[in-house]
Amino acid sequence: GIQVEQSPPDLILQEGANSTLRCNFSDSVNNLQWFHQNPWGQLINLFYIPSGTKQNGRLSATTVATERYSLLYISSSQTTDSGVYFCAVNRDDKIIFGKGTRLHILP
Amino acid sequence: DSGVTQTPKHLITATGQRVTLRCSPRSGDLSVYWYQQSLDQGLQFLIHYYNGEERAKGNILERFSAQQFPDLHSELNLSSLELGDSALYFCASSVGGTTGNQPQHFGDGTRLSIL
Repeated sequence: GIQVEQSPPDLILQEGANSTLRCNFSDSVNNLQWFHQNPWGQLINLFYIPSGTKQNGRLSATTVATERYSLLYISSSQTTDSGVYFCAVNRDDKIIFGKGTRLHILP
Repeated sequence: DSGVTQTPKHLITATGQRVTLRCSPRSGDLSVYWYQQSLDQGLQFLIHYYNGEERAKGNILERFSAQQFPDLHSELNLSSLELGDSALYFCASSVGGTTGNQPQHFGDGTRLSIL
């Protein structure tokens, strides 16, 4: 089956810093989503992005489907950005999640 | 607030028992997904229902079953519970019927603890 790898596994940054999270997948996929799980455990959909670039405030995402990766950019980090970021891909009616990147923003 | 409601929030039971988790999707959403999040396995897709019909199955054990009712709420039934079933169970909803091809909105989850 498809393998989904996220890097880095952990990231500690100072408030105000920028970061780039990466999601690699081993085969072609129908689509890709990014999610944020906050410290209280809630999962929030950030982007549905099978290809191209999307932006939402300080967050943006780019998926290059032909090269099998997606990037999530977080600019001017805030403490509320802390949590775990997951990417999930879909192929053949199966949804596969990466193990996530744990982001800790220090005040 | 995502608009997706899951009950109960917490559930504590013993091995061998059976439990039912409930999910009400966002108004207007016809699809319901179930996921399991555990320390060992991470986030796993279990099953997808659209307008009452099963659309896709993921890593759902045979001891688990789900259904979606005419009012679109869904229930996940877990039986013969084992210690390893302890996890956070999420429900998500979306508008369309093609598995995974629309943004999904998650409930707050049900935390199941098996003693």
